[in-house]
Amino acid sequence: GIQVEQNPPDLILQEGANSTLRCNFSDSVNNLQWFHQNPWGQLINLFYIPSGTKQNGRLSATTVATERYSLLYISSSQTTDSGVYFCAVGGKAAGNKLTFGGGTRVLVKP
Amino acid sequence: DTGVSQDPRHKITKRGQNVTFRCDPISEHNRLYWYRQTLGQGPEFLTYFQNEAQLEKSRLLSDRFSAERPKGSFSTLEIQRTEQGDSAMYLCASSLVWSYEQYFGPGTRLTVT
Repeated sequence: GIQVEQNPPDLILQEGANSTLRCNFSDSVNNLQWFHQNPWGQLINLFYIPSGTKQNGRLSATTVATERYSLLYISSSQTTDSGVYFCAVGGKAAGNKLTFGGGTRVLVKP
Repeated sequence: DTGVSQDPRHKITKRGQNVTFRCDPISEHNRLYWYRQTLGQGPEFLTYFQNEAQLEKSRLLSDRFSAERPKGSFSTLEIQRTEQGDSAMYLCASSLVWSYEQYFGPGTRLTVT
């Protein structure tokens, strides 16, 4: 099946700093989503981005499907950005299920 | 517009007992998915439905697990003869048939003692 790798596994930021999270995947995809998992376990949809670039406030994402990677940018980080960020992909040969990466654990310090 | 809901949010059970979880998808979402997440890991796919038909099951879904979506609306996930290894967060998601984007519920956290 499709493999998904996220880097870095852990990230500590000072409030106000910018950061880039990376997601590499091993095959062509129909679906790529970025999620933020809050401390209670809820997965919050950030972006649906199988290709191209999108922006939402201080967050933006870019997927280069031909090179099989996606980037999530966090600008002017805030303590509320802390949590785990997951990249999940749906491969073209994988039906509709999502395969998740291992996540990037972000801690933003005040 | 209500999101995906799951019940219960927490369940503590003794090894060997049966448990059942419920998921209510977003209204008009034809597809419904179940995932399992263990501590420190990303969620893993278990099974999915399109309307009432169960179209795919993961090898993670042992014979002790059964999922239903009898009327194409809510779904139930039952675990029989629970084991300590079943302790995890069980997540439900839904999507429209013409869109790949999935929306997740708050999860049911199962602890087997």
